[in-house]
Amino acid sequence: GQQLNQSPQSMFIQEGEDVSMNCTSSSIFNTWLWYKQDPGEGPVLLIALYKAGELTSNGRLTAQFGITRKDSFLNISASIPSDVGIYFCAGKSYNQGGKLIFGQGTELSVKP
Amino acid sequence: GEEVAQTPKHLVRGEGQKAKLYCAPIKGHSYVFWYQQVLKNEFKFLISFQNENVFDETGMPKERFSAKCLPNSPCSLEIQATKLEDSAVYFCASSRPAANVLTFGAGSRLTVL
Repeated sequence: GQQLNQSPQSMFIQEGEDVSMNCTSSSIFNTWLWYKQDPGEGPVLLIALYKAGELTSNGRLTAQFGITRKDSFLNISASIPSDVGIYFCAGKSYNQGGKLIFGQGTELSVKP
Repeated sequence: GEEVAQTPKHLVRGEGQKAKLYCAPIKGHSYVFWYQQVLKNEFKFLISFQNENVFDETGMPKERFSAKCLPNSPCSLEIQATKLEDSAVYFCASSRPAANVLTFGAGSRLTVL
């Protein structure tokens, strides 16, 4: 089946630093999504990408849909303590009936 | 409502007992998805519905898991004869027709002792 490889698995950074994480897939996706999960909560959508090459920002977050349609990255600039949480990439392809395939998550810790 | 409502928030069962979880999707969302998250790991797809019809059940362990979405009732996910490895957080998500984005509920944590 389809798999998403997300890296890094975890990051420990200082407040104010920039962060980058990425996902690669063994197959093509037509949609890439980035979610954030806080402890005890469900994942919340951060950014949605629908076209190869698309670069989209949401405040301090920027994400790109890779040209090959098999990868995506998420950047967070000038991190703050409330950025702490687990970030998941998720992809959807035409032949998967609408379900999302998730990456393994990147756990972000920010030191004030 | 404007959020996906899941109940109960926590459920504890002895091994072999039955567990039933509920999900009310966002009004107007005709697709419902169930995912299982063990510890903080990735989300494992279980089943999806289009209205009350099963759309994709490729992730369901069919021998003990079942799910329904009946008209005018919350959707449900039932586990017969729970096992220790069923301990996880079960998330429900919903989406509009032809939408690419899923909105998730807060999850139901099942602990099997």
